[in-house]
Amino acid sequence: RKEVEQDPGPFNVPEGATVAFNCTYSNSASQSFFWYRQDCRKEPKLLMSVYSSGNEDGRFTAQLNRASQYISLLIRDSKLSDSATYLCVVKTGANNLFFGTGTRLTVIP
Amino acid sequence: DGGITQSPKYLFRKEGQNVTLSCEQNLNHDAMYWYRQDPGQGLRLIYYSQIVNDFQKGDIAEGYSVSREKKESFPLTVTSAQKNPTAFYLCASMDRDPREYEKLFFGSGTQLSVL
Repeated sequence: RKEVEQDPGPFNVPEGATVAFNCTYSNSASQSFFWYRQDCRKEPKLLMSVYSSGNEDGRFTAQLNRASQYISLLIRDSKLSDSATYLCVVKTGANNLFFGTGTRLTVIP
Repeated sequence: DGGITQSPKYLFRKEGQNVTLSCEQNLNHDAMYWYRQDPGQGLRLIYYSQIVNDFQKGDIAEGYSVSREKKESFPLTVTSAQKNPTAFYLCASMDRDPREYEKLFFGSGTQLSVL
């Protein structure tokens, strides 16, 4: 079983829509969770960390469900510029960072 | 401006040849990492280094080698033993400042292809 699993998509949504991605992880001892954004053939960039109580940054909301071992990312009022691949990252131990395969989002005009 | 610089952006390797990918950072980060990304796959860890003169194998270290002689530099050599080297290679570093802890900063990547 993979450490981190994501639906690869693609998710094609119209501008202004709300879209949500989930990511499941297998190790219950995982400590830290992140969402990164990656544009085509570019480096991933940190979008947001995911805190136990959930957190929001503008149109983006991240949630953690430790009981079911998943994290989620909600994007409200989608913009064309949100089109990218969203990577789920889970940290277990001092140096064990596990990346999901990414979920591809395309926002359509 | 602080950051991570990878070079070259594109690299071509002939069969049997060793090639070295450069990674330099001026963020004063202790930890540095090399990842490989194949189309449709997540990032896979090749090697990492927590401190100068020390490095550890990641999940797919075979066919690769690294050195960490300076804090700022963590070059990756793709040896002829790596039979399928075509991929996008990403170098990253991490800060130990509690305010920034666990955030990976990435270089812009090197696309390696086999001739």
